[in-house]
Amino acid sequence: QKEVEQNSGPLSVPEGAIASLNCTYSDRVSQSFFWYRQYSGKSPELIMSIYSNGDKEDGRFTAQLNKASQYVSLLIRDSQPSDSATYLCAVNKGGGGSYIPTFGRGTSLIVHP
Amino acid sequence: EPEVTQTPSHQVTQMGQEVILRCVPISNHLYFYWYRQILGQKVEFLVSFYNNEISEKSEIFDDQFSVERPDGSNFTLKIRSTKLEDSAMYFCATWPMGQSNEKLFFGSGTQLSVL
Repeated sequence: QKEVEQNSGPLSVPEGAIASLNCTYSDRVSQSFFWYRQYSGKSPELIMSIYSNGDKEDGRFTAQLNKASQYVSLLIRDSQPSDSATYLCAVNKGGGGSYIPTFGRGTSLIVHP
Repeated sequence: EPEVTQTPSHQVTQMGQEVILRCVPISNHLYFYWYRQILGQKVEFLVSFYNNEISEKSEIFDDQFSVERPDGSNFTLKIRSTKLEDSAMYFCATWPMGQSNEKLFFGSGTQLSVL
């Protein structure tokens, strides 16, 4: 069973629309959840982190976490062409000083003008 | 924002050769990592390093791989005898103080091509 799963996409949305990206994880003891953006040939860049159930908003981005369903999502409002990238979900089990984020394969997002 | 520096940005080598990938972590960070990403695939954990020793490693990190911090500033990944399947982007990352609310800082990566 894969630890972190994401739909590889591509997800195509028009400029100005809401993009919804989803991620599921297998380990119930996971404590920390992250969304990274990765442009082609570049390193991952942290967009959001979330640690407790519910929503967390930062500008145009909202992360949602449901630990009971083992599900985390990212909403991007007012999508821009510059948001076109691969979005990586990462999960960390945490505890005992262990901090090794495990990444999903990423969802490719295309925002067309 | 402080940066993790990786050199070289690109490395081309022949199969069977040794390569050393270099990273300069952010100066006051305590935890160092190597991840790799094969083209089109996910970012995979290789090894973590703390207090001058390996703290965890993945199944990928076999005897062909080693890490060290030779001079207190550089953090290196050595691949002793490269294989074609080692071709990937290798990312160095640092974690400041070991707190769960901190983020990983990634370097810009070294693209390794094994011919």
